[in-house]
Amino acid sequence: ETGVTQSPTHLIKTRGQQVTLRCSSQSGHNTVSWYQQALGQGPQFIFQYYREEENGRGNFPPRFSGLQFPNYSSELNVNALELDDSALYLCASTRRRGGTDTQYFGPGTRLTVL
Amino acid sequence: AQSVTQLDSQVPVFEEAPVELRCNYSSSVSVYLFWYVQYPNQGLQLLLKYLSGSTLVKGINGFEAEFNKSQTSFHLRKPSVHISDTAEYFCAVSDGGSNYQLIWGAGTKLIIKP
Repeated sequence: ETGVTQSPTHLIKTRGQQVTLRCSSQSGHNTVSWYQQALGQGPQFIFQYYREEENGRGNFPPRFSGLQFPNYSSELNVNALELDDSALYLCASTRRRGGTDTQYFGPGTRLTVL
Repeated sequence: AQSVTQLDSQVPVFEEAPVELRCNYSSSVSVYLFWYVQYPNQGLQLLLKYLSGSTLVKGINGFEAEFNKSQTSFHLRKPSVHISDTAEYFCAVSDGGSNYQLIWGAGTKLIIKP
């Protein structure tokens, strides 16, 4: 039990639609990262938020965006969904204190785009 | 850019036998190294991490890993596996930079044969 929750568990959308995925971190965790894990592959870093500001981004287009809120929750938004966006989306949170602190992962949201 | 190679996509092993899951990374700078486990339909759980100090790192569930800088490897080992170890194992690396971005291998499925 990592104390990180994600909702919904599963989601089915059609191409062109928009989706919002949610993550609730442990209290005090000021850093959240989002990853995309396609079937049979390792996670790919999408972006990270630190104290409500984007603090690093992987190789993902601008239609992937996020928000982090003061209550340690965060959102991943994806616009204009494409078939290749079908994947497991993971959020991971940590409380940054210097060095590389352990990231705690949620169980993920499985998104299917038809 | 950093990359992580997990040399085996699947490793079948008999119960109570030893196992080694291989991980190599490409980096010329100091790195932090991690092994995560993903049980079926669950999120990622940290097994162990190497930040500095002793090159032999012990983790949860009886796993350990050895950091070898000259060979840029971080292989995961367990002397005796159990059926409950059936899962996918991911090696990841971070340069410890300000964005804490993790670069992941493609994963190794550990298959325990009774």
